[in-house]
Amino acid sequence: NAGVTQTPKFQVLKTGQSMTLQCAQDMNHEYMSWYRQDPGMGLRLIHYSVGAGITDQGEVPNGYNVSRSTTEDFPLRLLSAAPSQTSVYFCASSSSLPTSGSPYEQYFGPGTRLTVT
Amino acid sequence: QKEVEQDPGPLSVPEGAIVSLNCTYSNSAFQYFMWYRQYSRKGPELLMYTYSSGNKEDGRFTAQVDKSSKYISLFIRDSQPSDSATYLCAMRPGNDYKLSFGAGTTVTVRA
Repeated sequence: NAGVTQTPKFQVLKTGQSMTLQCAQDMNHEYMSWYRQDPGMGLRLIHYSVGAGITDQGEVPNGYNVSRSTTEDFPLRLLSAAPSQTSVYFCASSSSLPTSGSPYEQYFGPGTRLTVT
Repeated sequence: QKEVEQDPGPLSVPEGAIVSLNCTYSNSAFQYFMWYRQYSRKGPELLMYTYSSGNKEDGRFTAQVDKSSKYISLFIRDSQPSDSATYLCAMRPGNDYKLSFGAGTTVTVRA
């Protein structure tokens, strides 16, 4: 099992450019999510998906789009990059829908470091 | 005010010391409480989780939850240099997918 994989590892964009961050998991997890991590802010949820064809917004969705056409893949699109989107982006997946007593462990990918100039 | 507050540190301790980390929160609906460990330039990994109030022990690690005070703690006994990492608390309500994270505390254990 490769777990959760993310590409690219590093990316530099100019303001206004668009790009897609890739995320894939091979654990047949239903739940997938995207976070950004900034100094002093912890992890903030951008978008999440509870299964193929179903997505919803998290805490900081503006400027990002997602889609979930397969169970395995959950790409994150930056529509028009801005310097405020300079961050480290993590994709995560989970095997359990939350119910009382479930461990609900989220497995994180290695991250994509994005710089927008 | 953030929903979950965590002192970012940094915290530096000698090898063998007890490390004490804590978070406070404001949402009384939180029922699941987790601690994640994140090594430099890596993704977070789940260290421990606790459901509702109480203590949980796993080897050198102890997690405590006090829901009446909205306060959770993580203790690391006999700390090792390999424990040097950022520790993030996270929590969620009973039937919600979304986790709320603290800012993370960076810990360095000196050999």
